[in-house]
Amino acid sequence: EAGVTQFPSHSVIEKGQTVTLRCDPISGHDNLYWYRRVMGKEIKFLLHFVKESKQDESGMPNNRFLAERTGGTYSTLKVQPAELEDSGVYFCASSQDRVNTEAFFGQGTRLTVV
Amino acid sequence: GENVEQHPSTLSVQEGDSAVIKCTYSDSASNYFPWYKQELGKRPQLIIDIRSNVGEKKDQRIAVTLNKTAKHFSLHITETQPEDSAVYFCAPATHNQGGKLIFGQGTELSVKP
Repeated sequence: EAGVTQFPSHSVIEKGQTVTLRCDPISGHDNLYWYRRVMGKEIKFLLHFVKESKQDESGMPNNRFLAERTGGTYSTLKVQPAELEDSGVYFCASSQDRVNTEAFFGQGTRLTVV
Repeated sequence: GENVEQHPSTLSVQEGDSAVIKCTYSDSASNYFPWYKQELGKRPQLIIDIRSNVGEKKDQRIAVTLNKTAKHFSLHITETQPEDSAVYFCAPATHNQGGKLIFGQGTELSVKP
């Protein structure tokens, strides 16, 4: 069974540009989460989808970040326009059941804004 | 919201020694207590977890202990090996928060051969 996959693995963009990150969760996992780790600090929650619905987006930094999960399968996270402080590693995770269940992480997308 | 503190931030041990990492949380409603291991450049992976109705759980060289009264849980690694070197994160979660994980700051464990 394929794990959680993220694309691209690395992205270097200039300040002001747009970047779209993609996450393919494990098939059948209704729950999809986005997290971010900035400059070696803790991993912080961004948002949570249950199927195609946003369940919790309390961790989204600001309105430059837009997440979608059309059809309840893969998800995209768009940053527009990107700022220097958006640099970090963006992780996606999926789980079958949101209650006390293992979350499986993707390998992450390392975003560098210059 | 949940406040999670993890100590120590770095830990260096000799191969064969034990390592203990402690995680303190603030939300008394937390009921799921996982530990994730992240090797350099790789994805975080669950290594052990415990639910709120259990005080201790072991899996070979790894154990987790939970003290709900004091609101802390700890990761114990015995007979450490160089491949245990990684960053370890605690990430307590609450049933009514949709399963989102609130991560501690991470502990960088270095096991010297």
